[in-house]
Amino acid sequence: IAGITQAPTSQILAAGRRMTLRCTQDMRHNAMYWYRQDLGLGLRLIHYSNTAGTTGKGEVPDGYSVSRANTDDFPLTLASAVPSQTSVYFCASSRGYYNEQFFGPGTRLTVL
Amino acid sequence: DAKTTQPNSMESNEEEPVHLPCNHSTISGTDYIHWYRQLPSQGPEYVIHGLTSNVNNRMASLAIAEDRKSSTLILHRATLRDAAVYYCILRDPAVSGAGSYQLTFGKGTKLSVIP
Repeated sequence: IAGITQAPTSQILAAGRRMTLRCTQDMRHNAMYWYRQDLGLGLRLIHYSNTAGTTGKGEVPDGYSVSRANTDDFPLTLASAVPSQTSVYFCASSRGYYNEQFFGPGTRLTVL
Repeated sequence: DAKTTQPNSMESNEEEPVHLPCNHSTISGTDYIHWYRQLPSQGPEYVIHGLTSNVNNRMASLAIAEDRKSSTLILHRATLRDAAVYYCILRDPAVSGAGSYQLTFGKGTKLSVIP
């Protein structure tokens, strides 16, 4: 593994189902982030974690939860998916909160 | 938060220099100017950042106006791989809370490179 990996690459999900998007980094970065990207709206921060064991809410946290049990992994969970959560989701990490962010390849999620 | 304004799109011929402008007339004294780019179907990628002085790295150069109300990202020799959306982002390290973590992406400039 080099950098950040995300899984799955894409997913079609029925509304109401639970879904976890996975994110793993091997750079030993302290901070990790989840963004969503929608057409015409740019990237918006969902949740972040500045170190293992801590998380915080970003601009659009409703309907999503995260955990940071260790340095490398930062899963994003949709407890009960809704169509408005159809988006491309990007995970990112950085050495510290103000350092450059490295992004994963993204997960394209469609909720029907 | 201070905002940035960029042209929606620009075109460049391959192997020619490209100057991508960004206006940030309400920039604060502690805002850093960051540039990221996003290639098609990929996540954003850090390009360069600076505060007051011009900056160079292997990817690009950043020219910052003396009054800091504008800046220009310079790609010295555009290649087809440089076709992407380029985002100019202001970040203030003094900001606390979620705002200090978030990169605020606008709509950016879509750069097309003509072979």
